[in-house]
Amino acid sequence: DVKVTQSSRYLVKRTGEKVFLECVQDMDHENMFWYRQDPGLGLRLIYFSYDVKMKEKGDIPEGYSVSREKKERFSLILESASTNQTSMYLCASSPPTQHTDTQYFGPGTRLTVL
Amino acid sequence: SQKIEQNSEALNIQEGKTATLTCNYTNYSPAYLQWYRQDPGRGPVFLLLIRENEKEKRKERLKVTFDTTLKQSLFHITASQPADSATYLCALGPGGGNKLTFGTGTQLKVEL
Repeated sequence: DVKVTQSSRYLVKRTGEKVFLECVQDMDHENMFWYRQDPGLGLRLIYFSYDVKMKEKGDIPEGYSVSREKKERFSLILESASTNQTSMYLCASSPPTQHTDTQYFGPGTRLTVL
Repeated sequence: SQKIEQNSEALNIQEGKTATLTCNYTNYSPAYLQWYRQDPGRGPVFLLLIRENEKEKRKERLKVTFDTTLKQSLFHITASQPADSATYLCALGPGGGNKLTFGTGTQLKVEL
């Protein structure tokens, strides 16, 4: 079975802290994605990666960075957390393009920045 | 700009009835459209994919239609059950480099 795991289900941080969100997939997928989900705004893509050490900006990359040192792991970094980054963060992976791009999601991390 | 619209109001239906959810899009020519289910506090789970050259796709109690002229997909759940209560997201692809563009989702509530 396909499995995407995220390091924490719930996280509370203070403004200005550096925050690391980890995502691991066990499906040997090339593509990995980080989204945030907010009420009324849906899923918004922050960053994605096609391969190890490769990254591409999504629609809302400001205030975030990512790291992909190993194929199975994709980390999202909030350099200096702010209250407007309070959100649900979802990681996903997908296999190489096979004309479907079905994405497999992790359970999400609900981040609260105080 | 590309826009995907799903009914933001929750859909309440009675158990046993058919639920129909709508996904409309503009400024987009997707090669395929996907539907996902999301339960509260969980990540979305893939349900069905339909390609641009397909009119209809079925999987058990689920049926999806895709009308590229109307730029619309309909998602049907027949003989609905309370366990079908969830938020349903549509997603269009490909969006440059394996990306999907998601709608905001419609919440379905199936009542006894």
